[in-house]
Amino acid sequence: QVQLVQSGAEVKKPGASVKVSCKASGYTFTTYNIHWLRQAPGQGFQWMGIIDPRGGDTRHAQKFQGRVTMTSDSSTNTVYMELSSLKSDDTAVYYCARPGVWGLITYFDHWGQGTLVTVSS
Amino acid sequence: QSVLTQPPSVSGAPGQRVTISCSGSSSNIGAGYDVHWYQQLPGTAPKLLIYGNSNRPSGVPDRFSASKSGTSASLAITGLQAEDEADFFCQSYDSRLSGSAFGGGTKVTVL
Repeated sequence: QVQLVQSGAEVKKPGASVKVSCKASGYTFTTYNIHWLRQAPGQGFQWMGIIDPRGGDTRHAQKFQGRVTMTSDSSTNTVYMELSSLKSDDTAVYYCARPGVWGLITYFDHWGQGTLVTVSS
Repeated sequence: QSVLTQPPSVSGAPGQRVTISCSGSSSNIGAGYDVHWYQQLPGTAPKLLIYGNSNRPSGVPDRFSASKSGTSASLAITGLQAEDEADFFCQSYDSRLSGSAFGGGTKVTVL
């Protein structure tokens, strides 16, 4: 069965960076891209970006311009999302998600368990 | 502030029918992009409930149904059960964001 397993919770100080991993299993890693989303406490979801695990091409939301880096490692079926220059309002649960269809115009039928990132001085 | 607008909460007695609205604009639902729905239990990742406006993934009870019209969509839950207490979110593609947009979520309470 398809599984996305994310790394554990992180506590960071403002200005620091955080790197979250997402290890995929149960399907051929290169046949689906992976999206990253986040959910601030009590809020809806915010789409952050997408990575093509075949070659590492990425696209991200304008809001995260210059702060987000997504990478993939096909040798371990793992994708990574690094967010830099953290601020308190980056405190959220970060999710990786596999889409139902390839591309940006899609839905998400498999999700990681989420990684809580807390930004606090 | 979410791109798609949902009511914060709805409630109903067991067995009743409740509906959740999702209002968008010409850059998302109104542009013809599909609407999808998710159920999120406390402390867990979302679960896909409806995709492509009205399609249920395998395993989702037919008590859940959805539709789309114009710039809005709605999710209906018939025969409300205690286990349906959760947050529900709508999602669509938004051309201004060049990515997915979500509603702020609706908490369903079973009275």
